[in-house]
Amino acid sequence: NAGVTQTPKFRVLKTGQSMTLLCAQDMNHEYMYWYRQDPGMGLRLIHYSVGEGTTAKGEVPDGYNVSRLKKQNFLLGLESAAPSQTSVYFCASSIYNEQFFGPGTRLTVL
Amino acid sequence: AQSVTQLDSHVSVSEGTPVLLRCNYSSSYSPSLFWYVQHPNKGLQLLLKYTSAATLVKGINGFEAEFKKSETSFHLTKPSAHMSDAAEYFCVVSRTGNTPLVFGKGTRLSVIA
Repeated sequence: NAGVTQTPKFRVLKTGQSMTLLCAQDMNHEYMYWYRQDPGMGLRLIHYSVGEGTTAKGEVPDGYNVSRLKKQNFLLGLESAAPSQTSVYFCASSIYNEQFFGPGTRLTVL
Repeated sequence: AQSVTQLDSHVSVSEGTPVLLRCNYSSSYSPSLFWYVQHPNKGLQLLLKYTSAATLVKGINGFEAEFKKSETSFHLTKPSAHMSDAAEYFCVVSRTGNTPLVFGKGTRLSVIA
């Protein structure tokens, strides 16, 4: 039982490049979330999903897209990376009142 | 709308002395409240949660928090700090159920030997 996993763990991009972050959970949770963490800002919600095939915007959605084609996977895409997207990205899934977090992806955009 | 204010960005205590991390919340609904801890370069770990049961909530590693509706507070305490408690602590609010979490900006706890 791996819980929530994230791929990759680290990535360096150049401005304008694209990439996809993968989040996978093996707990059969309906709800999944993407957050970003910046110094002094806590975690802020980017997008979330309440089930397979559904997505919704969070607090800071601009510059990101998401897809939930399979229940266990939640993908976060950056179509044209910008330095402002340098951050640590956390995925989570939830059941009832508890969210389970992945280990994070550290992304640097040069 | 919901929000969380962590009243101190940095708290420093001596090993063996009490810890108090302060959190005030605002919520239009009956809230669920959480404290998460993040050690350097690590992920987030749930310390404790309040979901409208007992107002005094006990968590892991000797931490506890008290929900005070009249003061809209959910302060985190520990009787005696240990060096291993040095980390970033986040107070978090959400509506009951599978709703997105709203994080405070964090309090960095330093423990001095």
